[in-house]
Amino acid sequence: DQQVKQNSPSLSVQEGRISILNCDYTNSMFDYFLWYKKYPAEGPTFLISISSIKDKNEDGRFTVFLNKSAKHLSLHIVPSQPGDSAVYFCAASGAQKLVFGQGTRLTINP
Amino acid sequence: EAQVTQNPRYLITVTGKKLTVTCSQNMNHEYMSWYRQDPGLGLRQIYYSMNVEVTDKGDVPEGYKVSRKEKRNFPLILESPSPNQTSLYFCASRLTTGGAFTDTQYFGPGTRLTVL
Repeated sequence: DQQVKQNSPSLSVQEGRISILNCDYTNSMFDYFLWYKKYPAEGPTFLISISSIKDKNEDGRFTVFLNKSAKHLSLHIVPSQPGDSAVYFCAASGAQKLVFGQGTRLTINP
Repeated sequence: EAQVTQNPRYLITVTGKKLTVTCSQNMNHEYMSWYRQDPGLGLRQIYYSMNVEVTDKGDVPEGYKVSRKEKRNFPLILESPSPNQTSLYFCASRLTTGGAFTDTQYFGPGTRLTVL
């Protein structure tokens, strides 16, 4: 049973436009949410996070939105750059567990 | 340089031949963890450790063992590997042991294991 789901395996966006990656979760006990970015042949690196008491967190070009009632979070990247091409994982944490989604491969086209 | 290192990076082995994947961190982190990444499943936690001599099962612990005899090292042991353990493995560490993962977790570069 997948507690954290990223329903889009891939996403292609033109350079300069907005990229929106989505994530859904099922467990109401999750209280902290994170996004990781992964390049080929490297480990995931932390990108941005949000606490369950907030609905938005912004860091430069990256913004994460949390809708607790819908159990949904999204990552917005604007403007998208070629270096943003990577696999993005959302993750949800609580009680010493960090549960990852399946990942979305983002490709930024020039 | 602060980092998590894993060895080997690539390994091809045969069913039943015991192997160990080493993991080491130089950041004096308390919490260490092992994940496996499989297509369509994302990263799933195998085992974690909150400190020396303190380990616990993650979501997919079957077929794996770990030990934490020193703070910096957290080896993953496959006593009798099987083909369904063919995967990409990541070790990770973070400074504290709080439940909410609010501090950054650092990942190693990964070990690609193939069991024939």
